[in-house]
Amino acid sequence: LAKTTQPISMDSYEGQEVNITCSHNNIATNDYITWYQQFPSQGPRFIIQGYKTKVTNEVASLFIPADRKSSTLSLPRVSLSDTAVYYCLLSGEKLTFGTGTRLTIIP
Amino acid sequence: SAVISQKPSRDICQRGTSLTIQCQVDSQVTMMFWYRQQPGQSLTLIATANQGSEATYESGFVIDKFPISRPNLTFSTLTVSNMSPEDSSIYLCSVDPSGDTDTQYFGPGTRLTVL
Repeated sequence: LAKTTQPISMDSYEGQEVNITCSHNNIATNDYITWYQQFPSQGPRFIIQGYKTKVTNEVASLFIPADRKSSTLSLPRVSLSDTAVYYCLLSGEKLTFGTGTRLTIIP
Repeated sequence: SAVISQKPSRDICQRGTSLTIQCQVDSQVTMMFWYRQQPGQSLTLIATANQGSEATYESGFVIDKFPISRPNLTFSTLTVSNMSPEDSSIYLCSVDPSGDTDTQYFGPGTRLTVL
């Protein structure tokens, strides 16, 4: 069963770029890497998904090295509203959420 | 995408009783999932509920404790049976509309407190 590891918490100032890394050494060949954002009292919300290399959408970028043993979520120019818990999820046969990273944006 | 609602949003229950949580989706989906999220923790998958088949439970979760119904493609229920304080948690349902890319849409969750 693949497992993921993320930093428990991170702080950043408004306007900065934030990079959150997820380690998944035992990722399976058919696993996609998906990141979710969760605010208090809400269900997780899909941010971005990738399989390899780089994926970018209107809110974030996802960097995945060739060995796929880690992935990095990049949030450009964060604001206070980006304060949330961010989860890394491996799909494939088992839906396994990471430990989550509590990101706090400081004014 | 999909819009998901859950009922109730929260409840306080007595030990030994049961609570049924409803999950309604605004579109037909094959794959639905039920998760538990204990305070300050990550999400743990309880079971996968596909319409037309029995729910598939993850290790540590059993049908007698968490019976699931999936009567159609837009609705599911999860019952938490014979509750104890250890069952106090947030219960979330999610769906994967595409069925192949593992992109899930989550409901708002049901916050359960067992006294």
